[in-house]
Amino acid sequence: AQSVSQHNHHVILSEAASLELGCNYSYGGTVNLFWYVQYPGQHLQLLLKYFSGDPLVKGIKGFEAEFIKSKFSFNLRKPSVQWSDTAEYFCAPVADRGSTLGRLYFGRGTQLTVWP
Amino acid sequence: DARVTQTPRHKVTEMGQEVTMRCQPILGHNTVFWYRQTMMQGLELLAYFRNRAPLDDSGMPKDRFSAEMPDATLATLKIQPSEPRDSAVYFCASGLVVVGDRGRSGELFFGEGSRLTVL
Repeated sequence: AQSVSQHNHHVILSEAASLELGCNYSYGGTVNLFWYVQYPGQHLQLLLKYFSGDPLVKGIKGFEAEFIKSKFSFNLRKPSVQWSDTAEYFCAPVADRGSTLGRLYFGRGTQLTVWP
Repeated sequence: DARVTQTPRHKVTEMGQEVTMRCQPILGHNTVFWYRQTMMQGLELLAYFRNRAPLDDSGMPKDRFSAEMPDATLATLKIQPSEPRDSAVYFCASGLVVVGDRGRSGELFFGEGSRLTVL
């Protein structure tokens, strides 16, 4: 079975600071990788996704993530955060074949708080 | 604008009562998930279906929880009897999984959630 580890449980930043949230997964096969965001009181929404090709993927609101296969990592970055980025962020790999095809394995989540 | 619809949005009930939550997935999606979110446990997968067939419900307490898809437009999650520890937000999500098409496998669309409080 897959597992996913998000190293930071709570990150507190000031506006304009740079952000990097770590995500490592364990799965021997090919995976699709996702980052979801959950704003306070809302449901999860897709932030960005990686299927294949360029390992640096860009998502909405200036976020990007880099897939490093050798490190089983898919870290999320943003050069300059805003107060409105305050939310919980979830990393989620999903197998692209086999009995668990399509099943997302969510990480524990990282709560990001941005102070204005 | 297609979206996943969940009802009720909020439910307060007393311990021992039956609770039924409903979900209408996005038309055309073939996979439906039920997640539970709490502060202590985070997001937990309770059950999921593909083409209405249950694939995995190992995350559910079997003695009190049941999940079904009576048809392609409706998924239900039932708790009977409910307990205070069931208090949580329950999310339904749907997606289209196409075997052999990586570009369309895995992206999920979440409903607004059903916030359950069991007193």
